[in-house]
Amino acid sequence: DVKVTQSSRYLVKRTGEKVFLECVQDMDHENMFWYRQDPGLGLRLIYFSYDVKMKEKGDIPEGYSVSREKKERFSLILESASTNQTSMYLCATRLLYEQYFGPGTRLTVT
Amino acid sequence: AQKVTQAQTEISVVEKEDVTLDCVYETRDTTYYLFWYKQPPSGELVFLIRRNSFDEQNEISGRYSWNFQKSTSSFNFTITASQVVDSAVYFCALSEVNNAGGTSYGKLTFGQGTILTVHP
Repeated sequence: DVKVTQSSRYLVKRTGEKVFLECVQDMDHENMFWYRQDPGLGLRLIYFSYDVKMKEKGDIPEGYSVSREKKERFSLILESASTNQTSMYLCATRLLYEQYFGPGTRLTVT
Repeated sequence: AQKVTQAQTEISVVEKEDVTLDCVYETRDTTYYLFWYKQPPSGELVFLIRRNSFDEQNEISGRYSWNFQKSTSSFNFTITASQVVDSAVYFCALSEVNNAGGTSYGKLTFGQGTILTVHP
């Protein structure tokens, strides 16, 4: 079974704080993804990584950055959190076709 | 650019009713994959099915069935004899194989999701 874990289920941060969301997978998958989920908008891709230290922007990268120093770990960074980044953040990994998702982090920025 | 539309925002049914969730997609690629995911209240997306663009055979898995029609760019999902445990948000998604000559790395484009509530 593929296991994708995310560092927190719920997180509350203040505007302007630097926020780190961590994702760890145990299946040696090369591709990892960060999405945000908002009501009525589905999931939207923020960034993805296809190998260690390799990354590409998704559809909504503004205000975010990522880091992948090790294959199993993919971090999403909010450089200066803003209230419009309040959302559910989902990490996923992929080996061949389908993606496998973590439980999500519900981030609230006040 | 690819796009997935799930026109039904919310559906409410009573247990044992059949329900169909609609999914319409747009893509310029000839090779692509379609997916359905289920998101129960716990939040984690669960993979249900994958279909590639060359395989238009319908699929049945227990109470779940999927109807893929390339002519109408639709990939609809039917739950027969619904149960309360089927209550969840369901997402349809599309993945192109190649993106402008490169590789898409399996990036998924999701529909907006359909909230299904099954009442006892």
